[in-house]
Amino acid sequence: EAGVVQSPRYKIIEKKQPVAFWCNPISGHNTLYWYRQNLGQGPELLIRYENEEAVDDSQLPKDRFSAERLKGVDSTLKIQPAELGDSAVYLCASSLEAGRLYNEQFFGPGTRLTVL
Amino acid sequence: QKEVEQNSGPLSVPEGAIASLNCTYSDRVSQSFFWYRQYSGKSPELIMSIYSNGDKEDGRFTAQLNKASQYVSLLIRDSQPSDSATYLCAVKADFNLFFGTGTRLTVIP
Repeated sequence: EAGVVQSPRYKIIEKKQPVAFWCNPISGHNTLYWYRQNLGQGPELLIRYENEEAVDDSQLPKDRFSAERLKGVDSTLKIQPAELGDSAVYLCASSLEAGRLYNEQFFGPGTRLTVL
Repeated sequence: QKEVEQNSGPLSVPEGAIASLNCTYSDRVSQSFFWYRQYSGKSPELIMSIYSNGDKEDGRFTAQLNKASQYVSLLIRDSQPSDSATYLCAVKADFNLFFGTGTRLTVIP
């Protein structure tokens, strides 16, 4: 079974430029998460989707970040414009329904973003 | 705020020894607990999940949960150099996972 797929794996951009990350979850997983992980820290949730609905985007900086999950499968996370502080690893994860007690999340390889 | 606390380490153990990793959490209603392993430059990999008080064993790994003390731990028996990684404790609350900062483990050959 294929795992969570993300692209690109690495991205280097200059500040004020836009950037987008793509994620394809594990087949059958209707819940998709975007996390940001700074160096030496644990992942922090940015947004959670149940199918195509963003059910928790409370931690998403909406002035510059946006996300979409059309058709409830693939998802794209966008930053426009990027700032120096956005340099981090952006992780996508997927799971079965988040409300399940036995709700295991599986992570993709991540995108390492460097903003110069 | 859901807080998950871990000793950042580094924790060093000799090969073949038992490594003990600890985690405390603040949310009393949390029901699901997870341990992830993260190698340097890689993404977190789920290695254990536990939902009930007591011990859960899987190969060389044992997860221990004490909800009354809001404490979860991971024991790694017969530690190997390949176990050297950062171990992240994660607690599920409000449908989301909250992670600790991780404990860096080094197994010395």
